[in-house]
Amino acid sequence: AQTVTQSQPEMSVQEAETVTLSCTYDTSESDYYLFWYKQPPSRQMILVIRQEAYKQQNATENRFSVNFQKAAKSFSLKISDSQLGDAAMYFCAYRSPGNSGAGSYQLTFGKGTKLSVIP
Amino acid sequence: KAGVTQTPRYLIKTRGQQVTLSCSPISGHRSVSWYQQTPGQGLQFLFEYFSETQRNKGNFPGRFSGRQFSNSRSEMNVSTLELGDSALYLCASDPGARTEAFFGQGTRLTVV
Repeated sequence: AQTVTQSQPEMSVQEAETVTLSCTYDTSESDYYLFWYKQPPSRQMILVIRQEAYKQQNATENRFSVNFQKAAKSFSLKISDSQLGDAAMYFCAYRSPGNSGAGSYQLTFGKGTKLSVIP
Repeated sequence: KAGVTQTPRYLIKTRGQQVTLSCSPISGHRSVSWYQQTPGQGLQFLFEYFSETQRNKGNFPGRFSGRQFSNSRSEMNVSTLELGDSALYLCASDPGARTEAFFGQGTRLTVV
């Protein structure tokens, strides 16, 4: 079974600064997907960024980027130019690729990192 | 395009009662998954339905059950509620392989 570990329960960052959230995972699969989801106080889980394991290039979405180290099974999220609206719980998640009509789209989540942004 | 809709948003039940939660996925999405979120255990997978069939189930007792209808809407049912069932229940809608899941806003269940 896959496991996802987020070793930082809480982190804080000054507004406009950069912060990196850590995530490690364990799997015997070679093809999989990794995600970072954000959950603000409204409780809505929002996708921040995704990474396909077969792609060596690190994913980037505006101020959010990842450092994907497949051999080390590490998937960290970097938030640049932090904004007050970035304050939330951040969850790292793993998923096997599945196939339409077979397999499963089950997500395995880490425990989350609570990010505070200091004005 | 409408998002994932979960109803109700909040629910208070008494121990021993049963409850039914509903999830309407994004149009065209055939997969619906349910997750339980608690402060102690985090996000735990309950089950997944695809085209009206349960194709995966998490490690939860048989009191937790679900179903999916032909229009992909899904319900989950918890019978004989226990205090420990108090949680946020999240539904995720998935368009298919090699994509990401889209979540509803959740149903906050409180068992008293």
